[in-house]
Amino acid sequence: EVQLVESGGGLVHPGGSLRLSCAVSGFTFRTYSMDWVRQAPGKGLEWVANINPDGSEKKYVDSVKGRFTISRDDAENSVYLQMNSLRVEDTGVYLCAREYLSGHLWPWGQGTLVTVSS
Amino acid sequence: DIQMTQSPSSLSASVGDRVTIACRASQSVNTYVNWYQQKPGKAPNLLIYTSSSLQSGAPSRFSGSGSGTDFALTITSLQPEDFATYYCQQSYRTPHSFGQGTKLEL
Repeated sequence: EVQLVESGGGLVHPGGSLRLSCAVSGFTFRTYSMDWVRQAPGKGLEWVANINPDGSEKKYVDSVKGRFTISRDDAENSVYLQMNSLRVEDTGVYLCAREYLSGHLWPWGQGTLVTVSS
Repeated sequence: DIQMTQSPSSLSASVGDRVTIACRASQSVNTYVNWYQQKPGKAPNLLIYTSSSLQSGAPSRFSGSGSGTDFALTITSLQPEDFATYYCQQSYRTPHSFGQGTKLEL
């Protein structure tokens, strides 16, 4: 069974940092791109970042460029999102997902909540 | 960046109805549009990929169409479990943007 489990969320002050993790199982991790998507409370989905199978290409939405870094560790079957200089508007549930060649996302993890507040 | 605009933002319907949700891209995305269903407190679930391919396990009452800039998700014979929020997404060019969502209500 394919599973993705996020962790690392929590409450942080503006300007602070968090590192999110997504542990995967049930498929050959090193052959897939992986994505992070977020959802602010009561709002829609926002694509955040992705990383290709060998980790050589990383893409970000403009609002997080220079602050967030996506990475992966094939030995740990995990993808990470290092989030620095956090802002109130970064608050939300962060979900990881497996990306197929055509870019569609399936399956998804259940998400981890990040709250940025003073 | 490519903007995805869904219409309507909300939709009231009844069990057994046929409904269509539209999604328009700000520039051509070929057929790189995917559709997801999300229920409250749950992760999104893939229904349709590359405009018209039905994801394995998704009910056949869901179908997708379109190419270029205009796309649609159609649900024939609505079931009680279909009342949820639906999102389109383009995966033609990063950032792989989503539409704002369409809430389907009973």
